[in-house]
Amino acid sequence: GQNIDQPTEMTATEGAIVQINCTYQTSGFNGLFWYQQHAGEAPTFLSYNVLDGLEEKGRFSSFLSRSKGYSYLLLKELQMKDSASYLCAVRDSNYQLIWGAGTKLIIKP
Amino acid sequence: TAGITQAPTSQILAAGRSMTLRCTQDMRHNAMYWYRQDLGLGLRLIHYSNTAGTTGKGEVPDGYSVSRANTDDFPLTLASAVPSQTSVYFCASSVGASAGELFFGEGSRLTVL
Repeated sequence: GQNIDQPTEMTATEGAIVQINCTYQTSGFNGLFWYQQHAGEAPTFLSYNVLDGLEEKGRFSSFLSRSKGYSYLLLKELQMKDSASYLCAVRDSNYQLIWGAGTKLIIKP
Repeated sequence: TAGITQAPTSQILAAGRSMTLRCTQDMRHNAMYWYRQDLGLGLRLIHYSNTAGTTGKGEVPDGYSVSRANTDDFPLTLASAVPSQTSVYFCASSVGASAGELFFGEGSRLTVL
């Protein structure tokens, strides 16, 4: 079966750095997405990786290792507004998105 | 630009009743999707449409039907609602079925009693 694993919940301090991991087992691979979802709102796109390596976008970076079935989302200089759930999703060989359950990130002052 | 509009925002429905959740996009995207989101689970695909006039079944299609008469609209119908269909429903679209990120509507919270 297809599976996306990410931690259920993480806590970090304002101004710090946090890394959210995602491991996947899917039938084929056509890219990995990270989305942010604030409570009661729609998911919004953060990043996309299809090749190995690091993609940097401001305070957020996303890393992919296809051989290890592994990705992480790195958030720097954490702000209170970063408190949200972070969803990892993989596009499989049929171009369908397989979603993880999300990681709830709690930022403390 | 509105992007994707869903209606209603929330609804309480008696079991056995029918309900249609509406979804309209103004981005001229070819692909559209319906997901449900339940606590502790990832987004689960109900139905999708890669282009106007075509639809396909996702991971959890039972009890739901869709149509795609044109590019902009993708309604989701529950013919006879059951309590297990209580969920938050998200409509999404992308430029194509195999390319681009998904853009989501604001969601429709449905409670079936």
